[in-house]
Amino acid sequence: GNSVTQMEGPVTLSEEAFLTINCTYTATGYPSLFWYVQYPGEGLQLLLKATKADDKGSNKGFEATYRKETTSFHLEKGSVQVSDSAVYFCALSVNYGGATNKLIFGTGTLLAVQP
Amino acid sequence: DAGITQSPRHKVTETGTPVTLRCHQTENHRYMYWYRQDPGHGLRLIHYSYGVKDTDKGEVSDGYSVSRSKTEDFLLTLESATSSQTSVYFCAISNILASSYNEQFFGPGTRLTVL
Repeated sequence: GNSVTQMEGPVTLSEEAFLTINCTYTATGYPSLFWYVQYPGEGLQLLLKATKADDKGSNKGFEATYRKETTSFHLEKGSVQVSDSAVYFCALSVNYGGATNKLIFGTGTLLAVQP
Repeated sequence: DAGITQSPRHKVTETGTPVTLRCHQTENHRYMYWYRQDPGHGLRLIHYSYGVKDTDKGEVSDGYSVSRSKTEDFLLTLESATSSQTSVYFCAISNILASSYNEQFFGPGTRLTVL
């Protein structure tokens, strides 16, 4: 079956530290991969995506590379800010012929950035 | 921001009572989804819709029903609420894209407490 495993949190960092949140997946077919972010009290927002192997998604200083050989999509940022404090979700989608657009989410990783 | 609203935003109810949550979109997107978010589980799909009157079950559909009589509205009903259905419920929408990656746009969520 299809599943997503991401590192448990919380992850606590000081401002300007380097961030890595690990995400690995199991999927049949050729998944698209996503990172969503949830700020306190809000719904999820798409942060970045990659649709095929070796693609790099990037947005707001965050990056993730679709690694088919290691079935991974790790999220990185070179210098985090207090405003990056949020819950980050890794997700995948696999279409089978007719698109259903269903997403499978990891459990989420809470990031807390301290000034 | 995608035009998605959810109502109510907060609700407290008693075990055994029926509850209906509403998701309304102004984007004319074909697909609509209901998720629940619980600690340690991330987001799990309850039901989804791929068109007016076309719905299907997700991974945690027991105890829930849905209806979609118009493109813009997707209703989630708990026929007889139980304490295990205390959760935060998110609605999401998406459309079929030629590139086949499946970005979903999320509503702000409804916090439901069943006493």
